[in-house]
Amino acid sequence: DTEVTQTPKHLVMGMTNKKSLKCEQHMGHRAMYWYKQKAKKPPELMFVYSYEKLSINESVPSRFSPECPNSSLLNLHLHALQPEDSALYLCASSTTRGAGNTIYFGEGSWLTVV
Amino acid sequence: GEDVEQSLFLSVREGDSSVINCTYTDSSSTYLYWYKQEPGAGLQLLTYIFSNMDMKQDQRLTVLLNKKDKHLSLRIADTQTGDSAIYFCAESIGDDKIIFGKGTRLHILP
Repeated sequence: DTEVTQTPKHLVMGMTNKKSLKCEQHMGHRAMYWYKQKAKKPPELMFVYSYEKLSINESVPSRFSPECPNSSLLNLHLHALQPEDSALYLCASSTTRGAGNTIYFGEGSWLTVV
Repeated sequence: GEDVEQSLFLSVREGDSSVINCTYTDSSSTYLYWYKQEPGAGLQLLTYIFSNMDMKQDQRLTVLLNKKDKHLSLRIADTQTGDSAIYFCAESIGDDKIIFGKGTRLHILP
């Protein structure tokens, strides 16, 4: 099983809403990632968790708040987003941190901010 | 800074070979990757190559790496309609980061 599962697949939210994106993997991976992908652009790294601790925040605005409740789950809490935050949000995981570990991506959550 | 360049479009006839090219800048990259993204889907890891290798073959896929020129290519033999997708070249930077190219859209002609 090399699956990273993301929910919801599609989310439409207003600028004053609070919502969350969820990600789950059962591969025993200890590193998990959030990427953001705008249309016709490559994915860009947002956050990295390693052993359930935040290890990298790529200067992401505080309206995005990641959370790693346990080794299988990764959430992205969204609050007071802007229309320009509309994008595909991809979760990924790898065995551990380290360039030698291949990163597996989920199908993504399509977010539209209205 | 780190950068990965690839051409944006490629059209190939069904049954022919597709060759997607990529150049990267970070000579310390340990791993180089090819990911496939179909419309409306996430990224699928196709293959990767260690920087100390110059070729890797996996069924219809052949990856060639020229480390001196920092050039990576992906050859898809006997291209099928199901191969139509965007192909991202990526390089590893340090322990956690992967830098992606802008992606090459592969279009299959009947």
